[in-house]
Amino acid sequence: EAGVAQSPRYKIIEKRQSVAFWCNPISGHATLYWYQQILGQGPKLLIQFQNNGVVDDSQLPKDRFSAERLKGVDSTLKIQPAKLEDSAVYLCASSLDVGGYTFGSGTRLTVV
Amino acid sequence: QKEVEQDPGPLSVPEGAIVSLNCTYSNSAFQYFMWYRQYSRKGPELLMYTYSSGNKEDGRFTAQVDKSSKYISLFIRDSQPSDSATYLCAMSGDQAGTALIFGKGTTLSVSS
Repeated sequence: EAGVAQSPRYKIIEKRQSVAFWCNPISGHATLYWYQQILGQGPKLLIQFQNNGVVDDSQLPKDRFSAERLKGVDSTLKIQPAKLEDSAVYLCASSLDVGGYTFGSGTRLTVV
Repeated sequence: QKEVEQDPGPLSVPEGAIVSLNCTYSNSAFQYFMWYRQYSRKGPELLMYTYSSGNKEDGRFTAQVDKSSKYISLFIRDSQPSDSATYLCAMSGDQAGTALIFGKGTTLSVSS
């Protein structure tokens, strides 16, 4: 079974620039999550999709972050404009049910 | 008070030692409890998954949940250098598919 694919692996941008991350979940997994993991912290949920509908985006900073899930499969997360405090690893995960979370390797974002 | 508290360590032990990792939580609605292992520059991988209270054993790993005390533990027997990683506890509410709340993670180093 192929895992959760994420790209790019690393990204360095200047503050106020925009950036986008891509995620391809495990085939057949209806639920997709984006988490933000700041250095030394546990992952924090940004947004959860069920198929192509949003289930929970209560912690997504909507003034600068946006996400979509195309046709209930791939997903993109965008930040515009980026701030220094957005430096983190952005993890995508997918699941069939609550016990079946699989994470990708993440995108490490550095904002300078 | 954070929903999930976890001592970040670091924790250093010699090879062969028994390791005890712990988390406390405040939300009595949590029913699903997990432990993830995260190697440097990798995404978290699921180690143990427990529903409600009780113990679960898988090889050298044992997970315990005490809902009355709102306390969960992970024990690693005969620890190996390959166990050196960050261990994250995670939990979610009483509906399958709800997002996980993570602890900060405990960094473990096992020396040979």
